[in-house]
Amino acid sequence: GESVGLHLPTLSVQEGDNSIINCAYSNSASDYFIWYKQESGKGPQFIIDIRSNMDKRQGQRVTVLLNKTVKHLSLQIAATQPGDSAVYFCAEDYGQNFVFGPGTRLSVLP
Amino acid sequence: GAGVSQTPSNKVTEKGKYVELRCDPISGHTALYWYRQSLGQGPEFLIYFQGTGAADDSGLPNDRFFAVRPEGSVSTLKIQRTERGDSAVYLCATSLDGQGDTQYFGPGTRLTVL
Repeated sequence: GESVGLHLPTLSVQEGDNSIINCAYSNSASDYFIWYKQESGKGPQFIIDIRSNMDKRQGQRVTVLLNKTVKHLSLQIAATQPGDSAVYFCAEDYGQNFVFGPGTRLSVLP
Repeated sequence: GAGVSQTPSNKVTEKGKYVELRCDPISGHTALYWYRQSLGQGPEFLIYFQGTGAADDSGLPNDRFFAVRPEGSVSTLKIQRTERGDSAVYLCATSLDGQGDTQYFGPGTRLTVL
């Protein structure tokens, strides 16, 4: 759960394509995970969550996959739209607070 | 209902000055968190309140930082003798009950120390 450097990984996708954003978490005891979307100048916005007793959860156009064996989360966005352009963070429940991953910038190309 | 609100949205101050940042939680949310976010990084935990008490202040970087929540609702993050390295966006989040609950974030206060 350490923060990383200043250079955000960037994912560029064509409008209409599917996006997959990945995240590695650190604490094998974490039992709750959230994906957040953050647009420029705004606070993180809740997208979808998943508990450790599940390996997949679907929302509207979004799916979160959890692989506890390798401590990996992914966020899949179907039919990516321009409004999906933002920085996406995964967060893991770390006791009494959440620890955030470094973030991935998603750019949607017209 | 209304979300988490934070004031001011922007604060510019000079090195050495004292600042207060305010967070108004979602009504009924007992848990309140403060985070700091530097450019290009994820939010970094500072302190967690459950009701009026600080349940975990392990993220506060040093004793210049202090936070209160006297009535279990509004919280104020206080920074004394500000330094240029304190410049960041300070985010507040609240959740219904705390541990394991979804946290809802405010828009943040951008603090710039000159």
